[in-house]
Order: sequence, then structure tokens, then C-alpha cells
Amino acid sequence: GIQVEQSPPDLILQEGANSTLRCNFSDSVNNLQWFHQNPWGQLINLFYIPSGTKQNGRLSATTVATERYSLLYISSSQTTDSGVYFCAVNDYKLSFGAGTTVTVRA
Amino acid sequence: EAGVAQSPRYKIIEKRQSVAFWCNPISGHATLYWYQQILGQGPKLLIQFQNNGVVDDSQLPKDRFSAERLKGVDSTLKIQPAKLEDSAVYLCASSVQGAGNTIYFGEGSWLTVV
Repeated sequence: GIQVEQSPPDLILQEGANSTLRCNFSDSVNNLQWFHQNPWGQLINLFYIPSGTKQNGRLSATTVATERYSLLYISSSQTTDSGVYFCAVNDYKLSFGAGTTVTVRA
Repeated sequence: EAGVAQSPRYKIIEKRQSVAFWCNPISGHATLYWYQQILGQGPKLLIQFQNNGVVDDSQLPKDRFSAERLKGVDSTLKIQPAKLEDSAVYLCASSVQGAGNTIYFGEGSWLTVV
């Protein structure tokens, strides 16, 4: 099956800082999604982004499908951004990476 | 629009006991998924339904896990008998049609096996 690697595994930020999370995948995909898992375990869709760039408030994402990677940008981070960020890709089923744990300190 | 509903939210059982989790997907969503998420890991797909048919159950431990979606709407995931390593969050998700669409997750059912 397709391999999904996320980096870094952990990220500690001071409130107001910017950061970039990366997702590499091993094969062509027809779907890529970014999720945020809050401290209560709920997985929230951030972006459905098989290619191109999207922005939603302080978050944006870029997927370069031909080079098999995606980036999630967090700008002006807030404590509510804390949690685990997952990248998930689809060949015939949705496969998740191991996630990046983000801690934003006030 | 109502989201994906799951119950119970929390369950503690002893090993070798049985447990069942219920999921009601978003209305109109043909595809339903059950994922297992062990602490510190990403979710792992257990089973994927398209309406009431199974699309993928390759990672479902069929000797102890079973799932059904008899009428193509809500679904039940059962574990019998439970093992300690089954302690995890069981996440139900749904999408309009397949994994090529946005997938929406429920809040999860937290299982502790002691």
C-alpha cells in the first residue's frame, strides 16, 4: 500500500509564530486531505487538496502531486492550534500518516 | 447538517468480554468507514462499506472483529472476545461516494480493555 510520511513528528511553537508541516507520499494519489485532531480526539477536516493551493484563514496548504508532497502552513499560531495534524492520501483507500503533534505555548 | 454520530463515547471492559459500537453517518453518504486509532498513531482503516456492501476489510481481524451495515445507513462494529491490544479509539467516518471525496469523522468511541 501507499506510504505516508509526515514531518516533523513534534513541533513546539510560541504563540504568534509561523510553521510548515510536510507530508510525503510514495505513489500517485487522487485525494489528499489534511485533518486536525483536537485534544478530545475529534478529527476535523482542514483541506481536501489533491493538487494546488488553498487557504482558509490562518491555514493554507499546497500539494505538488507530481513531486508527491504536500505542505500545511500555520501562520500566527494560536494555542487553539494545538493538537495533532494528519495527512491522509487515497489510492483505493484513505491511508493516514503518523501525524505531527503541534504544541502552541502562550 | 448533522455530523457522524457514534456511541458509546467511552467503554471499559475486561479482556475476553465483548463490545459493540454504533455509527450513524451523515444523511445521504453512501460510504462508511471504521478506523482504529491506537494512542500515538494515525488511524488505521478496519473496514469500508459502500451502501451495504463491503469494499475493503483487509485489515479487519476477522477472528474477533465483525461489522455490518445491513440497510446501508447505520453500522455496528463488534469485538468478541476483546484483547488488551484492542484498547484504542474507534472512529467512524462517512463520505458521499468513496474516498475520493471529503471524509467526515465522528467523535470516536474510546475503548479500554483491562
